[in-house]
Amino acid sequence: SQTIHQWPATLVQPVGSPLSLECTVEGTSNPNLYWYRQAAGRGLQLLFYSVGIGQISSEVPQNLSASRPQDRQFILSSKKLLLSDSGFYLCAWSGKQGINQPQHFGDGTRLSIL
Amino acid sequence: AQKVTQAQTEISVVEKEDVTLDCVYETRDTTYYLFWYKQPPSGELVFLIRRNSFDEQNEISGRYSWNFQKSTSSFNFTITASQVVDSAVYFCALSEAGGQTGANNLFFGTGTRLTVIP
Repeated sequence: SQTIHQWPATLVQPVGSPLSLECTVEGTSNPNLYWYRQAAGRGLQLLFYSVGIGQISSEVPQNLSASRPQDRQFILSSKKLLLSDSGFYLCAWSGKQGINQPQHFGDGTRLSIL
Repeated sequence: AQKVTQAQTEISVVEKEDVTLDCVYETRDTTYYLFWYKQPPSGELVFLIRRNSFDEQNEISGRYSWNFQKSTSSFNFTITASQVVDSAVYFCALSEAGGQTGANNLFFGTGTRLTVIP
């Protein structure tokens, strides 16, 4: 069966510090991968998605970036965090069989910026 | 414009009551899929159901049921005999065939927070 892992689960970082959140998927190959942010009490905002190694599409311009160095690894990064980067970050994967494929989510990372 | 609207921000019910969560969507595609997800307090999103645009049959799974009506562009979710464990944020989402990105991007509603009071 497929599983998705995100880490760390929680993170407290000062403004201006760098960020690296990692997501890995097991049990499937060549998945579509996604990063979402959920601000407190709000819905999901799609940040990035990837259909393959090295292929990143950005949905929202900001100081975050994403990379996919391996087939089942998706990394969310920032060189300098802003207060507005606080939130709950979710990674997800889906199959490539079409638009009927649900996305399956990791447990999320709670990021607090001080 | 919002592709998926969940007008109910928060709902509170007493345990054992029935509750319906509304979802209205907007799309020009004839082929699309609708999804419901549950986000318990722990934070992860749990996939509940998928429905394609050509299948308007209602679906029941235990205490959960879904009513899909293309005429009103709605895909409502009913929980019968609610329980405290049903307390969560519920998201409705839409996937369209018109996207050419290669990814099956989902458009999420803003969610409905359901609180079941014991």
